[in-house]
Amino acid sequence: GIQVEQSPPDLILQEGANSTLRCNFSDSVNNLQWFHQNPWGQLINLFYIPSGTKQNGRLSATTVATERYSLLYISSSQTTDSGVYFCAVGGGGGATNKLIFGTGTLLAVQP
Amino acid sequence: GAGVSQSPRYKVAKRGQDVALRCDPISGHVSLFWYQQALGQGPEFLTYFQNEAQLDKSGLPSDRFFAERPEGSVSTLKIQRTQQEDSAVYLCASSLVISGNEQFFGPGTRLTVL
Repeated sequence: GIQVEQSPPDLILQEGANSTLRCNFSDSVNNLQWFHQNPWGQLINLFYIPSGTKQNGRLSATTVATERYSLLYISSSQTTDSGVYFCAVGGGGGATNKLIFGTGTLLAVQP
Repeated sequence: GAGVSQSPRYKVAKRGQDVALRCDPISGHVSLFWYQQALGQGPEFLTYFQNEAQLDKSGLPSDRFFAERPEGSVSTLKIQRTQQEDSAVYLCASSLVISGNEQFFGPGTRLTVL
């Protein structure tokens, strides 16, 4: 099955700093999503981005499908950005389109 | 509009009890997924429905796990004779179309088996 790797596993930032999170996947996909899991466990959709570049406020994402990676950029980080960021991919030839999740990046933004 | 809802949000069961977890997907969403998230890990796929048909149950860990979606809307995940290793957060997600579409997640049910 598809393998999904995220880096770094942990990240500590000072408020206002910028960061880049990376997601590598091992096969072609037709779905790629970035999520933020808040302290209450809710998975919040950030981007649906199987290819290309999108921006939403301080967040942006780029997926290069041919090279099998995606990047999530967080600019001017805030304490409310803390939590776990997951990349998840789907497709890769399967009929289910189930999502395969990476192990996540744990982000802590300090004031 | 309303998102995916799940109930109960928390469930404590004694080992050996049966539990039933409910998922209400976004209205009109064809696809419905169940995932299991153990502490400190990413969610893992359990089963998938397209309308009322269960098309993939490859992720169900044992025959004690059973899911249904009889009318193509609300789904129930049932776990029989719960074991301590079943303790996890159970997440439900739905998407509008069949393939390649964005999935939206509910808040999850945290199951603790004593």
